[in-house]
Amino acid sequence: EPEVTQTPSHQVTQMGQEVILRCVPISNHLYFYWYRQILGQKVEFLVSFYNNEISEKSEIFDDQFSVERPDGSNFTLKIRSTKLEDSAMYFCASSEDGDGGYTFGSGTRLTVV
Amino acid sequence: QKEVEQNSGPLSVPEGAIASLNCTYSDRGSQSFFWYRQYSGKSPELIMSIYSNGDKEDGRFTAQLNKASQYVSLLIRDSQPSDSATYLCAVRPYNNAGNMLTFGGGTRLMVKP
Repeated sequence: EPEVTQTPSHQVTQMGQEVILRCVPISNHLYFYWYRQILGQKVEFLVSFYNNEISEKSEIFDDQFSVERPDGSNFTLKIRSTKLEDSAMYFCASSEDGDGGYTFGSGTRLTVV
Repeated sequence: QKEVEQNSGPLSVPEGAIASLNCTYSDRGSQSFFWYRQYSGKSPELIMSIYSNGDKEDGRFTAQLNKASQYVSLLIRDSQPSDSATYLCAVRPYNNAGNMLTFGGGTRLMVKP
């Protein structure tokens, strides 16, 4: 069964550093998303991406965050100047169309120390 | 603020029983509704989607939607210990350019052998 692949599975970084989280969506999917889940809390929307541009972003997705699709397969989330409160599980997801549910990747656990 | 509310549980049912999970949402114009299962430390996995009022069955799972009451539920028949997980209700708000989903906090289900 096709799957969304995320790397790394766990990233530890020092406060103030930049991190890049990587995702390979399912190949025939057109819509890509990043969500995060702070331990014990809800899954929160960050950003959606379609046709090589951001289609929607949440209040969380401020200037500290950026997304990029550098080639035909990868989808990345960059977090600049990381803060302690950025520690969370970050999930990439993709969907074939805009109406259905998503397939989530296995997540990257980001720990900021 | 568009909200999706779920009882956090835990909901404890004996093996073989029917588990009933409930969700309410605040955005009356919402059109798409999803149930995800999330095992501890894992990513959400799509179980069911429902778009029209009424019931939708898939194997042991039945999703029920009542848009007038802004209520969606998930029934799990013949519950198994492997069904023990957190069940997330997700709603796609109306007029949503980015296809984002708003997630509830989840209901933890425990199926006891």
